[in-house]
Order: sequence, then structure tokens, then C-alpha cells
Amino acid sequence: LAKTTQPISMDSYEGQEVNITCSHNNIATNDYITWYQQFPSQGPRFIIQGYKTKVTNEVASLFIPADRKSSTLSLPRVSLSDTAVYYCLVGGANQAGTALIFGKGTTLSVSS
Amino acid sequence: DVKVTQSSRYLVKRTGEKVFLECVQDMDHENMFWYRQDPGLGLRLIYFSYDVKMKEKGDIPEGYSVSREKKERFSLILESASTNQTSMYLCASSFVRGGAYEQYFGPGTRLTVT
Repeated sequence: LAKTTQPISMDSYEGQEVNITCSHNNIATNDYITWYQQFPSQGPRFIIQGYKTKVTNEVASLFIPADRKSSTLSLPRVSLSDTAVYYCLVGGANQAGTALIFGKGTTLSVSS
Repeated sequence: DVKVTQSSRYLVKRTGEKVFLECVQDMDHENMFWYRQDPGLGLRLIYFSYDVKMKEKGDIPEGYSVSREKKERFSLILESASTNQTSMYLCASSFVRGGAYEQYFGPGTRLTVT
């Protein structure tokens, strides 16, 4: 099973770029990397997903090196509303024994 | 917008009671999940269902069972609640994008077992 490791917390200021790295040394060939954002008293919300190289959408970028043993979520120009917990999830749509492993989450605090 | 609803936001039960947590999704997703979330431990998968009446154990199935009789509804059952099952329970549904799940979560049920 691909265990994931993330920093427990990070601090930033408004307008800065924030990069959160997740380590997943035992990632399997069929596994994808997905990132979720969670605000207090809410369920997690999907941010971005990728398999390799770089993926970008309207809110974030995801960088995955060739060996896929880590991934980096990049949030450009964060604002106070980006203060949340960010989870890295490694797993694939494999019906034969699902192994969806969430990291323990990174608490991002954005200050003005 | 995908909507995943859970039957209760807060629930207080006594040790030994049978507890039902209900989850309903309105997007015709094949896949549904139950997680528990505890401080410092993140989200841990309890059970997963990829079709009606089909289920797979997750990381921590002990003490729990599930039921999926209809596609839109996935129930988590605590046969005999214990204090160590006090937790936040999150339900999710998903479709498959590429080779992975894109999950949509409900707001959670905070269960306290006394």
C-alpha cells in the first residue's frame, strides 16, 4: 500500500505561491494522485488529480516527477480563504481491493 | 452540482446501541465510500461500494458493516457502538475520471458514543 507523508502545517502570506509536497514511495503503477481541500465542519473538496508530469486547472497545479514517488500541489497567489487542510490521496479505480490512502493532511494558514 | 447528504450532522448514542448512518447521493454515481476522520489521523476508509449490493473492506472495517440496496443510498452500521467509535464520519460518492476516483463528500456526521 502506498503510504503518504505530508508536512503537518505550513504558513504563508496572501499573494504568495504555496507548494505542498506529498511523499508516496510505494505508489503502484495504477495509482493516481489526488488532492483535496477541507474547511472546518465541511467534507473534503476535490482540487486536482494527476498521474504523471504536470496538471493544471483553474485553482492549482500538480507536479509529479518521473519516478512518481512524490507530488507537489502548487497554489498560486493564495488568499485568506485558502486557509484549510489539504490532503493528498493515492489510489486507483481498482475494484480488487481498494486501497485509497489519504495523507494525514497539511494545515495551511494564510495571513494578511 | 453533485449533492451528497448525510442523515444527521450530530448524533449521540450510548454504548451498545445499534447505529445507522445514512448517505444519499443524487448524481447516479456507481461508487460510494464511508470514511472516519480523527484528529491527527486524517481520513481512513471504512468501506467502499462499487455497485448495488457490492462492497469492499477498507482500512478499518472492524466494528462496522454497510448496506447498499439502492444505487443512491449507502448506509454505515455500527452493530454495537463503542466509545472508540466516537468520530466524524464522512460519506463520499464518485465517478471514475481516467483511472481514478473523483470523490464528492457529504458534510459529515459527528458521532459521540457515551
